Amino acid sequence: TQLLEQSPQFLSIQEGENLTVYCNSSSVFSSLQWYRQEPGEGPVLLVTVVTGGEVKKLKRLTFQFGDARKDSSLHITAAQPGDTGLYLCAGGRGAQKLVFGQGTRLTINP
Amino acid sequence: DTGVSQDPRHKITKRGQNVTFRCDPISEHNRLYWYRQTLGQGPEFLTYFQNEAQLEKSRLLSDRFSAERPKGSFSTLEIQRTEQGDSAMYLCASSSTGGAYEQYFGPGTRLTVT
Repeated sequence: TQLLEQSPQFLSIQEGENLTVYCNSSSVFSSLQWYRQEPGEGPVLLVTVVTGGEVKKLKRLTFQFGDARKDSSLHITAAQPGDTGLYLCAGGRGAQKLVFGQGTRLTINP
Repeated sequence: DTGVSQDPRHKITKRGQNVTFRCDPISEHNRLYWYRQTLGQGPEFLTYFQNEAQLEKSRLLSDRFSAERPKGSFSTLEIQRTEQGDSAMYLCASSSTGGAYEQYFGPGTRLTVT
């Protein structure tokens, strides 16, 4: 059972456009992690957010954790072809397993 | 600074054969996790170790699956009598104590059962 819903599942946009990916749950998590995965490789950790309302920036990527720690968003400004990949959100409760969303497959067209 | 490593990267086996995968975590990490990822899906949790103790197993981990971490360092995941439905990417991750328990993943082992 997937407890985290990501939307959209697929997104194809032109270089230079902005986009937002959403990660929603009915459950509270103590942390929310965002990963990016290339074909045939393992997920690479981008960021971890732990406090409700927290906002973190990583160059052109902005991550936000909802006030109630049930949802998160990833916003990319001025997308570039190098941003193409599978973006995964994952909720954690302490040292326990991560629960993953199904992923958002992002394609940035030159 | 060595990340999580997994071996082999790819494995093709015939149905009914046994396979074993190895994971070497980041050296100072005492927690180690196994996940399985099928095409078009996010990873799903299989099992988790703290040091050598296996603390949690998913219902996905049938009795054909067994995982060990005998000395609290590397871990192995064995699948006996493989089935075509076992075809997937098997991912290993590790984390340290404290902080936000961020999990760092290895490159995965792609299993194809023919």
